[in-house]
Amino acid sequence: DQQVKQNSPSLSVQEGRISILNCDYTNSMFDYFLWYKKYPAEGPTFLISISSIKDKNEDGRFTVFLNKSAKHLSLHIVPSQPGDSAVYFCAARRASNFGNEKLTFGTGTRLTIIP
Amino acid sequence: KAGVTQTPRYLIKTRGQQVTLSCSPISGHRSVSWYQQTPGQGLQFLFEYFSETQRNKGNFPGRFSGRQFSNSRSEMNVSTLELGDSALYLCASRGSGVRDEKLFFGSGTQLSVL
Repeated sequence: DQQVKQNSPSLSVQEGRISILNCDYTNSMFDYFLWYKKYPAEGPTFLISISSIKDKNEDGRFTVFLNKSAKHLSLHIVPSQPGDSAVYFCAARRASNFGNEKLTFGTGTRLTIIP
Repeated sequence: KAGVTQTPRYLIKTRGQQVTLSCSPISGHRSVSWYQQTPGQGLQFLFEYFSETQRNKGNFPGRFSGRQFSNSRSEMNVSTLELGDSALYLCASRGSGVRDEKLFFGSGTQLSVL
């Protein structure tokens, strides 16, 4: 049961344009969402996150949007740069008073920025 | 601050063998999680340890086990290896607070089962 879904396995974007990566989830108990970026032969690194009490969070070129009613979030990268070429994972966590909930990850989207 | 360290980076084993992977978390982090990454499957959660106790477990067979030591270092063991166990095994640590949502990952151990 894939509770976090990234339906696009790959995406190619021209350098300087906007990259939009999408993620859908099915579990309404998820209240915290994260994006991770992964280069080959390296572990994923944290990129940006958003709490369910917000609908947008920005950090430099990266913006995450959350649509709770649609159970959908997206990551926007503007402008896209060659160094952004990587696999991007969406992740979600259920609310907990004890901080002991696991992160559930999507299957990833491979982003390729074309120079 | 040193990051999460995983050893070894690469392993080649044959079917039926067993393997032990090691993970040292970021200093001060008491939670260690293990994930399996395979093409098309994303990161599948194996288990999480906190203060030497397993507090979360994913849907993997009993051949996959782990433990955590008093210094928060963790090991993961896979017995009776199968071809399908070939994957990148990632370890991640995080802080102990309720608001410590972010996982910090190591570079992983690439396991190949022949």
